[in-house]
Amino acid sequence: DGGITQSPKYLFRKEGQNVTLSCEQNLNHDAMYWYRQDPGQGLRLIYYSQIVNDFQKGDIAEGYSVSREKKESFPLTVTSAQKNPTAFYLCASSIGLVTAYNSPLHFGNGTRLTVT
Amino acid sequence: QQQVKQSPQSLIVQKGGISIINCAYENTAFDYFPWYQQFPGKGPALLIAIRPDVSEKKEGRFTISFNKSAKQFSLHIMDSQPGDSATYFCAGGRQLTFGSGTQLTVLP
Repeated sequence: DGGITQSPKYLFRKEGQNVTLSCEQNLNHDAMYWYRQDPGQGLRLIYYSQIVNDFQKGDIAEGYSVSREKKESFPLTVTSAQKNPTAFYLCASSIGLVTAYNSPLHFGNGTRLTVT
Repeated sequence: QQQVKQSPQSLIVQKGGISIINCAYENTAFDYFPWYQQFPGKGPALLIAIRPDVSEKKEGRFTISFNKSAKQFSLHIMDSQPGDSATYFCAGGRQLTFGSGTQLTVLP
């Protein structure tokens, strides 16, 4: 089955450590996204990438970094500069630009990161 | 930053009742308004979407009503079932600005 795989489901890190969240898709989608979900705040866009080797900052990119070396993969690194990293992180993909009516977002099942 | 304001934050409905969730947007350039459904521990999934050139779209028990002049749109869930208990997000515009979510509980 085609889909988006995020691993691991739960991740625990000590404060001051960088951590990388994995996201792989086999939907052959061009665009990939990272969102952060906090209770009562909806989904906030961290970074997105429309093609390989290109990505743009979203609304809350500070303290995060990404790479897009392959079409299928879009890992997110949460750096020690992120002041409040504990959250639920969601990766998504779409055929093309999200504005297209026939190009909805497909989400993975998320990684819950806890930093203590 | 463009906003999409969603209400209520939480909603409790009896089985068989109608669930109504409302959203308001600011940017008149928005041209795509999807609703996503999220179950605990899972990622959101597209439920239903509408374009601003129509006032209503229905898929089974789920209906989007769209009021372009008021810049508002709403999700109606008819004959609500316990299996509909989830968090619902509205969204709009480029790169999808999401609402803050509504946690729906349908009592058996």
